[in-house]
Amino acid sequence: QKEVEQNSGPLSVPEGAIASLNCTYSDRGSQSFFWYRQYSGKSPELIMSIYSNGDKEDGRFTAQLNKASQYVSLLIRDSQPSDSATYLCAVNIVSSSGDKLTFGTGTRLAVRP
Amino acid sequence: DARVTQTPRHKVTEMGQEVTMRCQPILGHNTVFWYRQTMMQGLELLAYFRNRAPLDDSGMPKDRFSAEMPDATLATLKIQPSEPRDSAVYFCASVRVTDTQYFGPGTRLTVL
Repeated sequence: QKEVEQNSGPLSVPEGAIASLNCTYSDRGSQSFFWYRQYSGKSPELIMSIYSNGDKEDGRFTAQLNKASQYVSLLIRDSQPSDSATYLCAVNIVSSSGDKLTFGTGTRLAVRP
Repeated sequence: DARVTQTPRHKVTEMGQEVTMRCQPILGHNTVFWYRQTMMQGLELLAYFRNRAPLDDSGMPKDRFSAEMPDATLATLKIQPSEPRDSAVYFCASVRVTDTQYFGPGTRLTVL
């Protein structure tokens, strides 16, 4: 089982709709969770971080975390064509050598005008 | 506007040649990560350093890859000899303590 799993997509939604991106992780001890956005040919950029169970909202983005189910999601409201990108879920894994991020393979989102 | 810088941005080389990639982390960031990204494997952690000391390089093929941080402003990733399967985008990222990771623009490596 992969440490962080995402549906590769593509997820296609019409402009103005809600896009829902999901991620599951295997390490029950993980405490920090991140969503990165990566445009084609560019580097990943952080858009949301979440540390506690529940929802965290930032503009059109809402991150949701359920540690009991080992599940984290990202909702994008009022999706825009400029949101079309690959979204990477990242989980902080604590090991004897320190903590490091483990990334999922990403979900490609396409927003149709 | 502080940024992680990487050089070169693109590198095309022939199998068997040595490749060196460089990264300048954001000033004040004490942890540096090297990642490799391919379509098939996604973003994989190769190695990382904290306060210039290597913490984990378990993701790196030891026989051909080496990573160093000769000073706080420079991290290097070397491949010798390079192979076609090393073709990928290599990202460097830096972080201050346990804060957000900031990624550099990447080095796109093609090994023929």
